[in-house]
Amino acid sequence: AQSVTQPDIHITVSEGASLELRCNYSYGATPYLFWYVQSPGQGLQLLLKYFSGDTLVQGIKGFEAEFKRSQSSFNLRKPSVHWSDAAEYFCAVGARGYNKLIFGAGTRLAVHP
Amino acid sequence: DADVTQTPRNRITKTGKRIMLECSQTKGHDRMYWYRQDPGLGLRLIYYSFDVKDINKGEISDGYSVSRQAQAKFSLSLESAIPNQTALYFCATSEAGSNEQFFGPGTRLTVL
Repeated sequence: AQSVTQPDIHITVSEGASLELRCNYSYGATPYLFWYVQSPGQGLQLLLKYFSGDTLVQGIKGFEAEFKRSQSSFNLRKPSVHWSDAAEYFCAVGARGYNKLIFGAGTRLAVHP
Repeated sequence: DADVTQTPRNRITKTGKRIMLECSQTKGHDRMYWYRQDPGLGLRLIYYSFDVKDINKGEISDGYSVSRQAQAKFSLSLESAIPNQTALYFCATSEAGSNEQFFGPGTRLTVL
């Protein structure tokens, strides 16, 4: 069965610092992988996705993520965090052809000035 | 812009009441989904529909029902609300053959 683990429930960083949010998945084949962001009071917005090809994917708002098959990971990174990045971040995995997503529990990011 | 909308955005109700949450989309997508979000649990799938005549249970469908009135509308009902159904509910859509889902703004439901 598919599953997604986001080991960090809360992360606090200083504005301007680099960020890495961890995501590990369990799936028998190469999955589709997603990162979504949920700002306070908002729905989920897609940051980036991996379907195939280059394992380093670029997304919106300066985020990137790297698919590492050997580690079953899809970690999200940003070189310099802005105060507006404070939000909850969800990693999700989808099985090819099944149109359903499994979400991780989320990581809440706080940004200190 | 093509969009996914949910009504109401907030609802407070009492135990035992029947509640309907509505979702509409102008994206022209065939596939629609209902999730609930609870702190520390992420999003869990309640029901999903791949077209008007296709309704499927998700991982936590007990206590919920759905209706797909048209391609653009997908409603979630709680026949007799209970306090542990207090949560944030999201509707989402996707194109056939795509795993990428587009989310509505959510409905915050409180059951007293």
